[in-house]
Amino acid sequence: DTGVSQDPRHKITKRGQNVTFRCDPISEHNRLYWYRQTLGQGPEFLTYFQNEAQLEKSRLLSDRFSAERPKGSFSTLEIQRTEQGDSAMYLCASSDRGQGVDQPQHFGDGTRLSIL
Amino acid sequence: GDSVTQMEGPVTLSEEAFLTINCTYTATGYPSLFWYVQYPGEGLQLLLKATKADDKGSNKGFEATYRKETTSFHLEKGSVQVSDSAVYFCALDFTGGGNKLTFGTGTQLKVEL
Repeated sequence: DTGVSQDPRHKITKRGQNVTFRCDPISEHNRLYWYRQTLGQGPEFLTYFQNEAQLEKSRLLSDRFSAERPKGSFSTLEIQRTEQGDSAMYLCASSDRGQGVDQPQHFGDGTRLSIL
Repeated sequence: GDSVTQMEGPVTLSEEAFLTINCTYTATGYPSLFWYVQYPGEGLQLLLKATKADDKGSNKGFEATYRKETTSFHLEKGSVQVSDSAVYFCALDFTGGGNKLTFGTGTQLKVEL
């Protein structure tokens, strides 16, 4: 169990640029989640996948945000035309759903996005 | 919608003091409840959970009991250590952890010698 891995750890970019973050879940986990955490707040759910299917995306913050998990393994979160308000920590988590039972989510260390 | 309310921090205690961090929730139905901990510079880690009323979750000396009548899930520890200094998050979901988690704002705990 190597844990959930996120890359990069920190991204600094200028307003208006596009950014993409990667998440590698725990290998046997079929569910993958994205959250956003702003300073002094708890994580806020954005979207999640079961294998390659995106089961909920209504919480993505705007149409500038999109996520993919093309082969049911790693996932990417893209933010287009970044704005100052996008500065936050973006967290990825994964979990296993086996035999109809959901297991707790395991979190990565996050990608901190700073918009200049 | 669903929500979680935690006591504001920071909470500052001396080593070996008793800890309580309050957590209450608002939800339709009967969610599963969790405490996550975030140590400085690290990701969130599951500390304990409870999936139904009157269940007690426990781990590393921490305990929390799911109280349906008061919609609460307070975190307690009998004797804190400096190494317990972290931010603690209360959270809920409806599928035992496999669906979207709703978090509280977090409570920072500082333990001093």
